[in-house]
Parts: sequence; structure tokens; C-alpha cells
Amino acid sequence: AIRMTQSPSSLSASTGDRVTITCRASQGISSYLAWYQQKPGKAPKLLIYAASTLQSGVPSRFSGSGSGTDFTLTISCLQSEDFATYYCQQYYSYPLYTFGQGTKLEIK
Amino acid sequence: EVQLVESGGGLVQPGRSLRLSCTASGFTFGDYAMSWFRQAPGKGLEWVGFIRSKAYGGTTEYAASVKGRFTISRDDSKSIAYLQMNSLKTEDTAVYYCTRDRKNVVDYWGQGTLVTVSS
Repeated sequence: AIRMTQSPSSLSASTGDRVTITCRASQGISSYLAWYQQKPGKAPKLLIYAASTLQSGVPSRFSGSGSGTDFTLTISCLQSEDFATYYCQQYYSYPLYTFGQGTKLEIK
Repeated sequence: EVQLVESGGGLVQPGRSLRLSCTASGFTFGDYAMSWFRQAPGKGLEWVGFIRSKAYGGTTEYAASVKGRFTISRDDSKSIAYLQMNSLKTEDTAVYYCTRDRKNVVDYWGQGTLVTVSS
């Protein structure tokens, strides 16, 4: 199975900050990478797919990049509603999806 | 508006069975593959299984951790996907989510239903 490793596992930041989360795949996955946001007690929400394509309705302060094994999610100007846990997910081995362990973004 | 609503969760003893339902609306259910995921308390996300649309044979795939115990099916006339869970173990305790797959991307999730396996 393809393993996904995110870093950091947790991150403290302030509103207005720019933050970057990284995700590494154990083998090349081309651009078959999605990012999800999950708030406590809620279902995950798709933010980005195909490594860099913004899902409809997602604010443009979210962006994604990368291909092969290394990917990043960047939030350019943190808003209060962005504090949540973020997961990367590969779908190269669809439908055997695998996720990173998550990055918890907390308020500093 | 796409909506996915899971039901059927609850408390069940180890070794027993439970069937979850996922009722879809806001899209042509039969055109889409559907997946189930789960999230144990305080843990990350785990893929459970998947069912293709009838156009692609309606076949299923399962994670190794549930293969042989869980079965996914669908009733396109009712826009419902099912997750039949047999021989439940304590480690199956989790919130179970159904999702819609659009061109291999999981684009919508239901709100989840909690399954607790305990004696």
C-alpha cells in the first residue's frame, strides 16, 4: 500500500499567517493527490484535487502544489475558520485510497 | 445540492452484525461510484470499501482489515448504498462515512454515523 506522510503533525499559527503543510508519498503518485479539511465533529471537506485544482467554492487563499512524491498545501492568509485538521489523500491506487496522518492547525 | 445521509449506527456486541445505510440526493446516484470510510475516535481516516456504478459492473473492493466481513451493496432505484458489517470487532468502533466518488476523487461526504462495538 502507498504510505502518505504529512508534516508537521501539528502547527500553531496566528490569523493572517501564511502556513505550509507537506505530504510525501512512499512512491510516485503523479498528481493523484487531494487535500481535505476536517473540523471537530464534522465530515472532511474536499479542498484541492489533482494536487493543485481548487474545489468549487473553496477560497483562493488555499493552494496546492507538487507531483510525484512531494506535495504542499499552502494557506496564504489564515482566517479563524481555517483552524482545523488537514489530511492529504492519494488516489493513484484508486480505489485503495490512503491518507496522511493529519496536521492539526491550532491558534497560537 | 448533493446530500449523503448515513444511518444505522449504534452500539453492538462483538461478533454481531450491523447494516449501515447511506441515502443520497441531489445527483443521479446510479452514475457514481460510492465509498465508505471510517475514523476511529481521535484517529485518522481509513478507507473501508467501494462499489462501482452499474455502468462499470457494480463490483466492489475492500480494505484488507474488513475483507470477508463487510459487504457493500447499492440500490440505485432508492439512491441508497449499504454497508453490511458482520463479525464485528472492538477495533471496528468508529464513525463511518459514505462518500461520492467523482472521477476517482472523493468530493462529498456524509455527516457520519457512529458504530460502537463493545460488550
